[in-house]
Amino acid sequence: ILNVEQSPQSLHVQEGDSTNFTCSFPSSNFYALHWYRWETAKSPEALFVMTLNGDEKKKGRISATLNTKEGYSYLYIKGSQPEDSATYLCAFIWRSETSGSRLTFGEGTQLTVNP
Amino acid sequence: DADVTQTPRNRITKTGKRIMLECSQTKGHDRMYWYRQDPGLGLRLIYYSFDVKDINKGEISDGYSVSRQAQAKFSLSLESAIPNQTALYFCATSDHRASRYEQYFGPGTRLTVT
Repeated sequence: ILNVEQSPQSLHVQEGDSTNFTCSFPSSNFYALHWYRWETAKSPEALFVMTLNGDEKKKGRISATLNTKEGYSYLYIKGSQPEDSATYLCAFIWRSETSGSRLTFGEGTQLTVNP
Repeated sequence: DADVTQTPRNRITKTGKRIMLECSQTKGHDRMYWYRQDPGLGLRLIYYSFDVKDINKGEISDGYSVSRQAQAKFSLSLESAIPNQTALYFCATSDHRASRYEQYFGPGTRLTVT
């Protein structure tokens, strides 16, 4: 079982605050790291697929960075809005020539943005 | 129309009953997955299939079986349901030709075992 940890578990911020959360994963056999946004009563949707050390991705006010050597990724939200309230999941994809590939999700960070 | 559909969306069943959850997709993806989500936990992989003839166990396959009837269909069965299988179940797809295992999720099936 691969250990993928997200912190914090939950976060409450005020509208307009900037925030960030962390996904930690094993640094060996890295293949990809995904970030998903999961709104209540909906399905998770992909935000970013990251594959290279040093990758930085951006979509509107949300951005993510990746450090595969030390095994972490940060997700940043600039100027949080109430509609950003959701659970943010990361998924680590591990791949080995001898053992195939594995996909493991973290437990998520639940973000609540208060108006 | 949704690209990934799941039926039923909600189901209540009794301990010991056999139940099947179905997933269909129109995305043309070759890979399909079944996950469960429990309160306070993330998504845990039950089974996955890279094509019709390739079925693999995930991290929590005990008590479940699957069938990949066609590229577009992937069913999850609980042979004898037990209360701790009460959870939200998601089907997902991915395309091996595109972004690395990026998952496209169905709407979920809420299963309650009494």
